[in-house]
Amino acid sequence: SQQGEEDPQALSIQEGENATMNCSYKTSINNLQWYRQNSGRGLVHLILIRSNEREKHSGRLRVTLDTSKKSSSLLITASRAADTASYFCVSSGSARQLTFGSGTQLTVLP
Amino acid sequence: DTAVSQTPKYLVTQMGNDKSIKCEQNLGHDTMYWYKQDSKKFLKIMFSYNNKELIINETVPNRFSPKSPDKAHLNLHINSLELGDSAVYFCASSQGQGFGELFFGEGSRLTVL
Repeated sequence: SQQGEEDPQALSIQEGENATMNCSYKTSINNLQWYRQNSGRGLVHLILIRSNEREKHSGRLRVTLDTSKKSSSLLITASRAADTASYFCVSSGSARQLTFGSGTQLTVLP
Repeated sequence: DTAVSQTPKYLVTQMGNDKSIKCEQNLGHDTMYWYKQDSKKFLKIMFSYNNKELIINETVPNRFSPKSPDKAHLNLHINSLELGDSAVYFCASSQGQGFGELFFGEGSRLTVL
């Protein structure tokens, strides 16, 4: 299976700034999901966007999907120190499995 | 109430030993998974069971054997542990076979000395 890839691998911003993370994948998908992982914890689901959707919002999160470019972006607005975590994109294709990227480590400085 | 619980959280053992990690979910999901996360945080699927039936078995050494006594439990047994097995192992569950939201356990950090 081919995993998604997040970009950048690491991102450091000041509290209050916006954070943008990108994800690319290689095969056709049913949906794409974003997860957050706090240090030493399990992954927590943030948002799912279906292949026929282009943009989705949830609170301070905005996700876009461009199936022609096989890419997605996650925008976190007005970041907080508590947003410090690793963020993973997960593409779900016909292989009946969720394929993870290696994550973007976001650090929000107070 | 913990949705997906796995034990133990930490496991330190010697090379060559056999160990097990247990996982239970109380969400009523029909699909469970084991993932391995390496030191670079890359998360790779190992196994997936749907209603106790193995549906995904990635290229994993035969030393790893999953067992699903019922759809709420998926245990992972590892024989003849090697240094390279050191990682964090995550159990997860979902409703349906892999297109929806995954619910993860807190992980089991295995260290092989």
